Amino acid sequence: GAGVSQSPSNKVTEKGKDVELRCDPISGHTALYWYRQSLGQGLEFLIYFQGNSAPDKSGLPSDRFSAERTGGSVSTLTIQRTQQEDSAVYLCASSLNQGLSYEQYFGPGTRLTVT
Amino acid sequence: GDSVTQMEGPVTLSEEAFLTINCTYTATGYPSLFWYVQYPGEGLQLLLKATKADDKGSNKGFEATYRKETTSFHLEKGSVQVSDSAVYFCALSRRDSNYQLIWGAGTKLIIKP
Repeated sequence: GAGVSQSPSNKVTEKGKDVELRCDPISGHTALYWYRQSLGQGLEFLIYFQGNSAPDKSGLPSDRFSAERTGGSVSTLTIQRTQQEDSAVYLCASSLNQGLSYEQYFGPGTRLTVT
Repeated sequence: GDSVTQMEGPVTLSEEAFLTINCTYTATGYPSLFWYVQYPGEGLQLLLKATKADDKGSNKGFEATYRKETTSFHLEKGSVQVSDSAVYFCALSRRDSNYQLIWGAGTKLIIKP
């Protein structure tokens, strides 16, 4: 079946602009995670959704970052007033989180470059 | 807090050599342990996992054993191929942290023919 998809694959934006990154999880996966991969910080957790609610937002680096999920499916990560330090690859993963099935499946990522 | 430490790379080996990439962890309770692989230009893929002490995960000739006494999950392969060149990430997750993955820094593996 279809895997996790993310769009756009690449995004170049000017400092100060807002960006929206989209994630389509695997159908039926109730859990959705956003991570960030950057050269200086490695892989970092950002936010976790169970259904449409986000019980864990502890990884969001500042209040410029927000995310939502609708219909228990698509999620959007929004970064307002982008800064150069936001440049990274943003990864989305989904999981069943039921019984013994809690491994995460990753999308290809969105490479964000802030100029 | 939880953490994962893995050996720094790059690791450069000749084809058919034996591979070990060390990974140790710090966590409360009983985490699950994972190895993910990122091939050049591709996304992260789950390579193998282990959910409890003494479990051995295996896939594509790679193996790792969950050692609670040494808090380790070292990745091994008996004979590497050029196609194994990639970045390998060790990670852990716990149920009471909503299974969020805590990552090692990654180890770049280069296999020369």
